[in-house]
Amino acid sequence: AAGVIQSPRHLIKEKRETATLKCYPIPRHDTVYWYQQGPGQDPQFLISFYEKMQSDKGSIPDRFSAQQFSDYHSELNMSSLELGDSALYFCASSLGGSLNTQYFGPGTRLTVL
Amino acid sequence: DAKTTQPPSMDCAEGRAANLPCNHSTISGNEYVYWYRQIHSQGPQYIIHGLKNNETNEMASLIITEDRKSSTLILPHATLRDTAVYYCIVFNNQGGKLIFGQGTELSVKP
Repeated sequence: AAGVIQSPRHLIKEKRETATLKCYPIPRHDTVYWYQQGPGQDPQFLISFYEKMQSDKGSIPDRFSAQQFSDYHSELNMSSLELGDSALYFCASSLGGSLNTQYFGPGTRLTVL
Repeated sequence: DAKTTQPPSMDCAEGRAANLPCNHSTISGNEYVYWYRQIHSQGPQYIIHGLKNNETNEMASLIITEDRKSSTLILPHATLRDTAVYYCIVFNNQGGKLIFGQGTELSVKP
C-alpha cells in the first residue's frame, strides 16, 4: 500500500539559510500533520492542515510556516535556520480530519551547520 | 503534556510474548488509547488503538481495563525486529494532534 512520502530525506543547511520540506500524503488522505523530533527527544507536534486549512497549531516557531496545497501535499518552510532546528521532521496523514488514524512518513533529517 | 505513564524500558526474550503496560488514569470517556512504535529514528508506526473493548490485529493485541485507567499492549511472539520505542497515547479525535510521552524502550533479546 502507498505510504506517506517525504522529501528530501536528508538536508544540510547553514545557519540563517532557509529550507523547504515536502510531504505527500497517502492517496485520498485530506489531513496532514507535521512533527519535530530533536536528538534524544520524543516527537513534538508542530502544525496540521485539514482540507487545505490550518486545523491546529503546536509549538511552531514564527520562523516556520506551512501550507497544504490543492492536491493535499504540504510544505513546511523554515527560515533563518538555527542550530537548534537540527532534527527529524515527520509528516503524517489521515483521512477525514482527526477522526482517523495518522500514518507517518519516513521523515526528513535536517542538519543545520 | 502526555497523559500516560509507561516504564522507560523493558526486555523480552525472542519468541516470548511482550506485555507493555500503560497507565492513563485521567482518560476521558471520548478519548482513545493509541499505540505507536518507533524503530531507531524511523517514522512512528501505527500499531493498534481502542476505546473500551479489547482489540486485536495482525500486529498486536490491546487489553483495556474495565475502568479504562490502564491498558496493555501484547506482542504475542516478539522478534528482534520488534525492538523499538513503544508509545502509548491518549487521543482525543476532536483535537487531532498526537502527544508523545516518554515511551517504553523494548529490547528483544535472542
